[in-house]
This record gives sequence, C-alpha cells and structure tokens, in this order.
Amino acid sequence: QKEVEQDPGPLSVPEGAIVSLNCTYSNSAFQYFMWYRQYSRKGPELLMYTYSSGNKEDGRFTAQVDKSSKYISLFIRDSQPSDSATYLCAMNNDYKLSFGAGTTVTVRA
Amino acid sequence: DARVTQTPRHKVTEMGQEVTMRCQPILGHNTVFWYRQTMMQGLELLAYFRNRAPLDDSGMPKDRFSAEMPDATLATLKIQPSEPRDSAVYFCASDDFRGAGELFFGEGSRLTVL
Repeated sequence: QKEVEQDPGPLSVPEGAIVSLNCTYSNSAFQYFMWYRQYSRKGPELLMYTYSSGNKEDGRFTAQVDKSSKYISLFIRDSQPSDSATYLCAMNNDYKLSFGAGTTVTVRA
Repeated sequence: DARVTQTPRHKVTEMGQEVTMRCQPILGHNTVFWYRQTMMQGLELLAYFRNRAPLDDSGMPKDRFSAEMPDATLATLKIQPSEPRDSAVYFCASDDFRGAGELFFGEGSRLTVL
C-alpha cells in the first residue's frame, strides 16, 4: 500500500462547477500538506500548502487537512477551462515529499 | 524570472547507450532533487542534494544510475547503460530549505530508450 493514495480520475466538469479533489495517507508523521498543479508536458508547480490540520483559502482554491482522518482535500470554486490540469497532493516527512498519483481534471467550456 | 532549467528537453536513444541529463537550479537554492515520472508509478524521488552533498539516493537503481552536483549551479543525472524501462520524464527541482516542501520544478527531460 502506498503512503499517499489519490484517485487518478479522470474528472470532467462543466465550467463554473466546484471541483473536489482528495487524498488519504497512512503516515501520521506528515506535517506539511501540499497541492501541486501540473499542466500537460510541464513540471509540477506548487498551488498551496498547509501546515498541520485546518483550512486555507487562496482565491478560488481551498485546501483542507484533517489529520485525525488522514485526509486532505482541495476545492476549486467557479472552475475555469484554464484549471484543466493534473493535481497532485504531496506531503513531507523528513523533508522528502511523498506524492499522490495525481488526478486529471478537465473543465469543459 | 527565476526558474529551474533542464537539458535536454527530449532524448531518444538506443538501449545500452549512456544518457546524461543536466539541471541548473534556481540561484540561491541549496537543495536539489531528481524525480522520475511515469504513468504507472507517478512521481518517484531518485536522489537529492543539500549544499551539493548527496543526502539520499535510495530511490535510484545503483547499478546504472548516478547523480552528482559538481558545483552549485549544476546537477547531473547519468544512466549507463540505459534500458527501455528507463523511459520516463525526469524532473529536477530545487528549493531553499524552508522546510515546507515548496519545490520549484523544471520542465523535465523526456527520455525514450528504444
């Protein structure tokens, strides 16, 4: 079993919909929880990160961490075609990141 | 515009050939990572360096892969001899060790071994 589990999708939604992504993990030592976005044929770029449990909001993006359930989520409100990408969750332990498999999202215009 | 630069962007080679990939981290970043991405395995950490010293290369096949950082502006990943199963996208990433895992990735080197 992998340390970080993420449903690869794909996920297809109409423009304006709320996109909900999530990951589960098994290592209780993880402290930082991140979401990276990767466009086709590009490198991942950091979208948001959260330390420990709680919520964090940045514009249309909201990240949630529930350490008691070992579950993290990313919500994208008012999704746009430009949000079409693969979203990877990541968590660190001793400075080494463990990545989820990535969920591919398509926002239809 | 600070960014991680990787070369080559694409490489097609035949089995048994040596492949060298290069990475220029962002100036001032003291930690450099090499990742491999495939459809089956996702992103896998191969090795990483801090202040040019190798800290962990446990993700790397030791018999054919080697990673070095000859100076602060250059990291290299070498495969010798290459095999078809090495076909993947290899990413270099760097950060300034603030602890949060805010990695800056290059655009990757897409390797195809025939």
